[in-house]
Amino acid sequence: AQSVTQPDIHITVSEGASLELRCNYSYGATPYLFWYVQSPGQGLQLLLKYFSGDTLVQGIKGFEAEFKRSQSSFNLRKPSVHWSDAAEYFCAVVRGNKLVFGAGTILRVKS
Amino acid sequence: NAGVTQTPKFQVLKTGQSMTLQCAQDMNHEYMSWYRQDPGMGLRLIHYSVGAGITDQGEVPNGYNVSRSTTEDFPLRLLSAAPSQTSVYFCASSYSRGAETQYFGPGTRLLVL
Repeated sequence: AQSVTQPDIHITVSEGASLELRCNYSYGATPYLFWYVQSPGQGLQLLLKYFSGDTLVQGIKGFEAEFKRSQSSFNLRKPSVHWSDAAEYFCAVVRGNKLVFGAGTILRVKS
Repeated sequence: NAGVTQTPKFQVLKTGQSMTLQCAQDMNHEYMSWYRQDPGMGLRLIHYSVGAGITDQGEVPNGYNVSRSTTEDFPLRLLSAAPSQTSVYFCASSYSRGAETQYFGPGTRLLVL
């Protein structure tokens, strides 16, 4: 069963514009949720995580994400995108002893 | 700390050959895992380990073997390489015994001809 869905394969935004990347999960228990970023040819870097508590979590590089249980979503946001944010972004959820990833969203930034 | 290291960075194999992808971490992490990354499919878990001597299968374990004789090392063995195993392989580790907050290595790019 698909646990994590990232509906957008590609997104293009202008530099300085706001960004929202969507993530929906399907998991009955309180989820542990993550966003990772991967620059071309690199490994994955953790942007932020949600375990419990405040549903708005702050991460590195100016990113934030909001957990909405009613919508089973954990969308990633940034108020002003920089050219260096161009990368692939992965949402992930812990299922038992496993981390399950979405298919990823490729972000392109145009100047 | 070097973090999570992987060798080699790039490898070309012929169909039927075997090889071992090395993964090591110096953070004394209990949990280690192997993923493969293919375009449009995200990362898929191959095998994982919650501690020395304990391994389990992930989502796509066929054609791969693992062992965990020490806390630091978690090698991935391809028994008889197939073109379908052409992929980028990532090793990761976590300080807990669960899959939370994993730190990833730089990856090994494998091409099977």
